[in-house]
Amino acid sequence: AQSVSQHNHHVILSEAASLELGCNYSYGGTVNLFWYVQYPGQHLQLLLKYFSGDPLVKGIKGFEAEFIKSKFSFNLRKPSVQWSDTAEYFCAVFSTDSWGKLQFGAGTQVVVTP
Amino acid sequence: ETGVTQTPRHLVMGMTNKKSLKCEQHLGHNAMYWYKQSAKKPLELMFVYSLEERVENNSVPSRFSPECPNSSHLFLHLHTLQPEDSALYLCASSQSGTSSRGRGEKLFFGSGTQLSVL
Repeated sequence: AQSVSQHNHHVILSEAASLELGCNYSYGGTVNLFWYVQYPGQHLQLLLKYFSGDPLVKGIKGFEAEFIKSKFSFNLRKPSVQWSDTAEYFCAVFSTDSWGKLQFGAGTQVVVTP
Repeated sequence: ETGVTQTPRHLVMGMTNKKSLKCEQHLGHNAMYWYKQSAKKPLELMFVYSLEERVENNSVPSRFSPECPNSSHLFLHLHTLQPEDSALYLCASSQSGTSSRGRGEKLFFGSGTQLSVL
């Protein structure tokens, strides 16, 4: 079945540590890839997106993600996290191969400790 | 299944038609949302309902009219749409905590309605 998988449900790390969140998808066709973030008490916000071109995309707040087509992956990274990065992170895939459906991963809750 | 059901899954309508999108959540949540997702664009928040009261309307044209008759059901009434309104419309729900404005707890999304306006 077509799906979006996020590898970790919960991640706890200290400030200044590096963060990498995995995302794999199983769609074919042309894909648009997104990472969204939901801070406590707020709506979803877009972190970054990939449509085409350079597979390494940079987003807001120092986040970046790399699209590896051969691995069907779109992992999110940040070299040095801050306490304010505590949030839930969602990978999402928009695929032309799935009736244009936007599919979210289950989300990863990230807690950054001071 | 996330507990949020949207119908229809696909809808094709002319610019003079009137149609409605339906969303139902079975999670006991007290906040519901309409989002628009266009190809090559991020999600756009359209409306938020908390405790059946509309608490947010993000400058959405009046040809989109939401209705929330109870905490489990949300509708989006469509009339005289434009071709640029073709998109995936997503419903979501959440359980609001201390805030009565239904903001931002974990969202559960439906599968969406793929709308094409001819």
